[in-house]
Amino acid sequence: EIVLTQSPGTLSLSPGERGTLSCRASQSIRPTYVAWYQQNPGQAPRLLIFGASSRASGVPDRFSGGGSGTDFTLTISRLEPEDLAMYYCHQYEVSPWTFGQGTKVEI
Amino acid sequence: QVQLVQSGAEVKKPGASTKVSCKASGYTFSAYGVGWVRVAPEQGLEWVGWISADSGNTDYAQKFQGRVTMTTDTSTSTAYLELRSLRSDDTAVYYCVLVIAGSPFEYWGQGTLVAVSS
Repeated sequence: EIVLTQSPGTLSLSPGERGTLSCRASQSIRPTYVAWYQQNPGQAPRLLIFGASSRASGVPDRFSGGGSGTDFTLTISRLEPEDLAMYYCHQYEVSPWTFGQGTKVEI
Repeated sequence: QVQLVQSGAEVKKPGASTKVSCKASGYTFSAYGVGWVRVAPEQGLEWVGWISADSGNTDYAQKFQGRVTMTTDTSTSTAYLELRSLRSDDTAVYYCVLVIAGSPFEYWGQGTLVAVSS
């Protein structure tokens, strides 16, 4: 199976700061099949990014995704207090579909 | 609009079984699949597997093979996840998701806590 390794485990930022989350895959993935989710405490995950760089409906433009091959990133350009959450990358190209272990963004 | 509504929280003893339901609405149930993802305390998202609502074909993560069964009832647009021989490390919130080929998981159920404790 494709293993997704996220870094850092925890990202501490101040409001207004820029932060970059990394997701490295154990083998090459087509960007079409890479997504990022945000999970707030007590809530279901929310789709943020699909196709590596496309924002899902209603997602603020301070969130952006990129990457190719085995390395993908999620960037929060200007951190807002409501961005405190866990963030997960996900590949849906190869079965079994897999998730990264998550990055916690703390304010 | 698409909605996935799951059954309520459960407390089970080790060795028991659980069966979580996920009732779908807002789309043609038999046209797509339903998947299951869990999140254990202090752990990340974990893929359990999925079922095609049309064919009934299933694809389970290897970790759960032999302990899990996914089924659907097209007459009620409901999907089920059964997990047997429960252990304490099965304690988690289980989410159902709408599975569309080649697409990420845009629609999630609200989650069902399954707590395994003696």
